[in-house]
Parts: sequence; structure tokens; C-alpha cells
Amino acid sequence: ILNVEQSPQSLHVQEGDSTNFTCSFPSSNFYALHWYRWETAKSPEALFVMTLNGDEKKKGRISATLNTKEGYSYLYIKGSQPEDSATYLCAFGNNNDMRFGAGTRLTVKP
Amino acid sequence: NAGVTQTPKFQVLKTGQSMTLQCAQDMNHEYMSWYRQDPGMGLRLIHYSVGAGITDQGEVPNGYNVSRSTTEDFPLRLLSAAPSQTSVYFCASMRGMNTEAFFGQGTRLTVV
Repeated sequence: ILNVEQSPQSLHVQEGDSTNFTCSFPSSNFYALHWYRWETAKSPEALFVMTLNGDEKKKGRISATLNTKEGYSYLYIKGSQPEDSATYLCAFGNNNDMRFGAGTRLTVKP
Repeated sequence: NAGVTQTPKFQVLKTGQSMTLQCAQDMNHEYMSWYRQDPGMGLRLIHYSVGAGITDQGEVPNGYNVSRSTTEDFPLRLLSAAPSQTSVYFCASMRGMNTEAFFGQGTRLTVV
């Protein structure tokens, strides 16, 4: 059983706030950790794919870190904007398949 | 660039009917998979394939069949539709587990 847990389930912040989410995953058979951004009525789009313990990736105001030994990853958004409102999914990949967490739904209020 | 193409976008079935959801990708990706999305549950893996001729079960395979006769296509068959299979279905492909997944537009299926 591959349990991928994300917290919080939902988050409401004001425009300009910085925020972060957590993804926890099994620490065995690790191959990759993915983050996706999913807007309503669209398909998920990749943000980051991380494979190495200690990896840090950044795309604009969004960044992510990875700890494979303890089985967690953080996603950070600096200075949230209303267009950041979406569901953020993490996914744990072993060498065969990829399992998703339930997501964190972010709402950024103007 | 077509990417991942799923058809149909919407479908209504009666209980007991069968149907096939189509998925095709033009990126020569080895990995393809089917997920279903239900409220509060994220994406759950139904079946996946690591290459032509190879398929395996995911978390929720019951009631679904797949085949992978070519690299490009990965159809999902519902053998005898049940109301519990009402969901949004996504097909995804990736070159490898350490690369990003590309998703189709989704199929909203309602079983009445």
C-alpha cells in the first residue's frame, strides 16, 4: 500500500501572503516525487519532478524541497496571487507507477 | 502538438452497458496510466503500462480492463458499468518515472 498524504486539505490566504503545503510519502522504494498544479475544469500540469534527497527546485514564486529519508516534501508559494488559486497535487513514484495524494486546495483572496 | 488525447469528453451509460475510453499520445512515451478522480480523493490509479504489451493493476482496478498493443494507445474498457464508476477519468503518459506526466483533458462519465 502506497500512502501519499497531503496537508492541509484546503487553505485560504490573502493576496500577498506566503504559504506552504506538505506531502508525506513512503520512504522505501522511492524513485521520484512530483508536484502538479490543477485548476478547475483543466488537467493537472507539472510543476516539479524531484529525485534526489535534498533537492530544491524553483519556478518563479513557487519552490519545493525534498527529504527522501524521512519521506516528506514541502511546496512553498511566496507572495500568493489570486491566479495561484488551484489544487496542488503531489505524487510518489516508485519504479513502476505513480500514486497521488488527495491534494491541497488553495484559495487566494484579492 | 497533440500531446495526450482522450475521447470522449462526456459519456452517460446505463448500468450494465460496456464502453471503451480512448487514450492516445504522440510523444513516444513508454509509461501510460489511467486515473479516476472522485471528490476528496485526488487521483486514484486504475491501471498502468510501462510499455507496449505490458500492463498492471493500480489501486482500483476492479471493473476495468486495459491493453497496450501499441506505444501510442492505451484504451480503458468498462466491462459492465456500475453507478460506482461515475467519475472523471484521466489518462496520463510520461517518458519515465523521473519525468513529468502529461494528462489528457479528462472524460466525465455518468452511470445511471
